[in-house]
Amino acid sequence: EAQVTQNPRYLITVTGKKLTVTCSQNMNHEYMSWYRQDPGLGLRQIYYSMNVEVTDKGDVPEGYKVSRKEKRNFPLILESPSPNQTSLYFCASSLNAGGLPDTQYFGPGTRLTVL
Amino acid sequence: DQQVKQNSPSLSVQEGRISILNCDYTNSMFDYFLWYKKYPAEGPTFLISISSIKDKNEDGRFTVFLNKSAKHLSLHIVPSQPGDSAVYFCAASSSGGGADGLTFGKGTHLIIQP
Repeated sequence: EAQVTQNPRYLITVTGKKLTVTCSQNMNHEYMSWYRQDPGLGLRQIYYSMNVEVTDKGDVPEGYKVSRKEKRNFPLILESPSPNQTSLYFCASSLNAGGLPDTQYFGPGTRLTVL
Repeated sequence: DQQVKQNSPSLSVQEGRISILNCDYTNSMFDYFLWYKKYPAEGPTFLISISSIKDKNEDGRFTVFLNKSAKHLSLHIVPSQPGDSAVYFCAASSSGGGADGLTFGKGTHLIIQP
């Protein structure tokens, strides 16, 4: 089954404690992306990757890091989480970044709370 | 098993006419629904949402209708404009806003023809 998986689904942590949210897709997609969703703001893009070893900042990259060492994995790293990073995070992938139609597969979401 | 389905991968509409995008869901626990719009190489942007306590929500040219008994919602855009050409995602949540995450449809590519 084609899917994007994220782990963990829920995480409560404290300020400053490094954490990683994993994202994996099994569709051999080139493009992967991380979003955060906040009330009233919809989905905002954090980082994206066009392919292995190619990453770029989205709209709200501050406080986050990513890596793309393999095509299937795109972890999101918070080196020193802060309460304003409490949010719902989505990973997504698509076959490629351009071209239409662009069906994007989203992961189920990770609810992060930073105390 | 897709819990949120957008059965039309693409839709072509003439400029100025009404665009109607459809979405069906199977999970009766869903109580909050959203539409996102996405341009190529950009993240999805939130468009409009509706809670299950309502059957209609309107915002400018965009109106979302919810038929709970049919487990069906639709997005109406009127009048359609060239800038509306994009992929539209329907999404649903069972916790009134996304506390348990969103389930997305695969999207409908809307093409507005001049």
